[in-house]
Amino acid sequence: GAGVSQSPSNKVTEKGKDVELRCDPISGHTALYWYRQRLGQGLEFLIYFQGNSAPDKSGLPSDRFSAERTGESVSTLTIQRTQQEDSAVYLCASTRVSGGNQPQHFGDGTRLSIL
Amino acid sequence: GNSVTQMEGPVTLSEEAFLTINCTYTATGYPSLFWYVQYPGEGLQLLLKATKADDKGSNKGFEATYRKETTSFHLEKGSVQVSDSAVYFCALWGQGGATNKLIFGTGTLLAVQP
Repeated sequence: GAGVSQSPSNKVTEKGKDVELRCDPISGHTALYWYRQRLGQGLEFLIYFQGNSAPDKSGLPSDRFSAERTGESVSTLTIQRTQQEDSAVYLCASTRVSGGNQPQHFGDGTRLSIL
Repeated sequence: GNSVTQMEGPVTLSEEAFLTINCTYTATGYPSLFWYVQYPGEGLQLLLKATKADDKGSNKGFEATYRKETTSFHLEKGSVQVSDSAVYFCALWGQGGATNKLIFGTGTLLAVQP
């Protein structure tokens, strides 16, 4: 597609449920990033995928968070046993190749609300 | 570790006023520096960048100069418009042990009044 696509755009769920968020990167982009943006705060890095290399999971806040990506395609971020502090906007970004000079192209995010 | 500090908002200006949004950073080596913008109802998008000391990034009338001596990357615009109302994020891409991610500031909301 023309841009990074994320779904769903909004998700409301009860505490303790599992949720799965999806990101479709720009076609041909090898690098993919997940960030979390809590209300009134900046973006927090969660995880980074580059091609078939092992992902950088250093930003995942707990073992309830996991993410997958097969090759250079879709990625899913899964949050198990959701807690209220997981409420945030989850943003996905992709770049054509890895590196600091590459502009990151962001999706519109998934707004997650935990009741 | 690497970090970015930017001025808190909201910043409220009248149209045609001069804008400065301060951003300072802490990083080892020579990071790349960015300003991203999020317009109402839209996703984050790159506004400008600078990849080495003394570089000036510019776009849409906005400018920012990479000042290593003061570890700053302040965003400026000589005459703001209502359409510039948005949240502005300063960010860095580090070297060394943190090369796989952008480090963002907390964002500054700019509201321009006609």
